[in-house]
Amino acid sequence: EADIYQTPRYLVIGTGKKITLECSQTMGHDKMYWYQQDPGMELHLIHYSYGVNSTEKGDLSSESTVSRIRTEHFPLTLESARPSHTSQYLCATLGTNTDTQYFGPGTRLTVL
Amino acid sequence: QKEVEQNSGPLSVPEGAIASLNCTYSDRGSQSFFWYRQYSGKSPELIMFIYSNGDKEDGRFTAQLNKASQYVSLLIRDSQPSESATYLCAGGMDRDDKIIFGKGTRLHILP
Repeated sequence: EADIYQTPRYLVIGTGKKITLECSQTMGHDKMYWYQQDPGMELHLIHYSYGVNSTEKGDLSSESTVSRIRTEHFPLTLESARPSHTSQYLCATLGTNTDTQYFGPGTRLTVL
Repeated sequence: QKEVEQNSGPLSVPEGAIASLNCTYSDRGSQSFFWYRQYSGKSPELIMFIYSNGDKEDGRFTAQLNKASQYVSLLIRDSQPSESATYLCAGGMDRDDKIIFGKGTRLHILP
């Protein structure tokens, strides 16, 4: 059982606000990922990290930023939210032994 | 460009029948493959992973991998209406730890 937590689970916010989506894990996995997924659509990798102080952009251009100061924590920040950012954001880790991704419950973001 | 291709469906199967889901991948360097199930509005949940050519069975699920043909499949025996969901195929590379997802196949199990 993977322990990955995401907060908030749901967020409705106005245009122009700065928001941070939290992701934390208790498994000590080095590799963490952020995906964006619109309803009924495919997963898009937006950021990933191989460990502390390591962050990389994914395949989908994103206006968000991430940080990795601690192994267990991988927050994603939007400096100025726009309606085009409305989506579901999924955090995941990569298992050390099974090379399997474990997903958090997701944050559903709505920008008005 | 690494790609994982799936038929988007929907695939409709009567209850109790075998559901067969297919996936192809473009990168011969892909080492590991995964099947996830995703219910609407929920996160993907891992069903099976497979590394070696051949079949891997786990309960009512069988994953099949053919590296020569670059083909992965998932069979669900005695399928149940509660298993109606989108099934995601994904392939992983050892060298960069990026797991590439297909667009998913919508599966409907008809009561």
